Amino acid sequence: GAVVSQHPSRVICKSGTSVKIECRSLDFQATTMFWYRQFPKQSLMLMATSNEGSKATYEQGVEKDKFLINHASLTLSTLTVTSAHPEDSSFYICSANIAGNTIYFGEGSWLTVV
Amino acid sequence: GDSVTQMEGPVTLSEEAFLTINCTYTATGYPSLFWYVQYPGEGLQLLLKATKADDKGSNKGFEATYRKETTSFHLEKGSVQVSDSAVYFCALTARGNEKLTFGTGTRLTIIP
Repeated sequence: GAVVSQHPSRVICKSGTSVKIECRSLDFQATTMFWYRQFPKQSLMLMATSNEGSKATYEQGVEKDKFLINHASLTLSTLTVTSAHPEDSSFYICSANIAGNTIYFGEGSWLTVV
Repeated sequence: GDSVTQMEGPVTLSEEAFLTINCTYTATGYPSLFWYVQYPGEGLQLLLKATKADDKGSNKGFEATYRKETTSFHLEKGSVQVSDSAVYFCALTARGNEKLTFGTGTRLTIIP
């Protein structure tokens, strides 16, 4: 079964609104989770590292005020795309690393901003 | 910085054909190398990995050998099945780092 669960799998929102994507670790605690984004025909690019109980670490070029990350518990990290615009339409996916250095990914979320 | 260059797709093969998906990398030091697979509607799943030079990762009939001299980690399977249709990602992590650097992904379609 799934080790990391992501929700929603698909979301359509209007331009200017905000949308939240959840990433949950199932049956294990994840002090660190990672958020990636993939544009069509491009690589998955790391956006940020989500740290439980502290601020996220963003990769260069990622707007922290636009992509709000909250890791309030050991099993949940959320990514909120604020004031979304069509260029934010993308595939967003999270991952978590558990004991044994195995990285698990969520199912991913397709965001379409219209 | 680190980078992964992956064979562009889409790739379409007949069932039981031989598969190769090329992957080369650029990294400092000695990265760990991975192949991930994404089946339709699902998340990424680890297919196989290799953590040092000359290691061979294998799973579900797929193999890839960590070639430091050619900085490559090509994915191979001797006889593909329709159920292998998916998107395949080559990736690496630098030593002591959990962050993955991905290739662009290769969409594989196997026709009966």
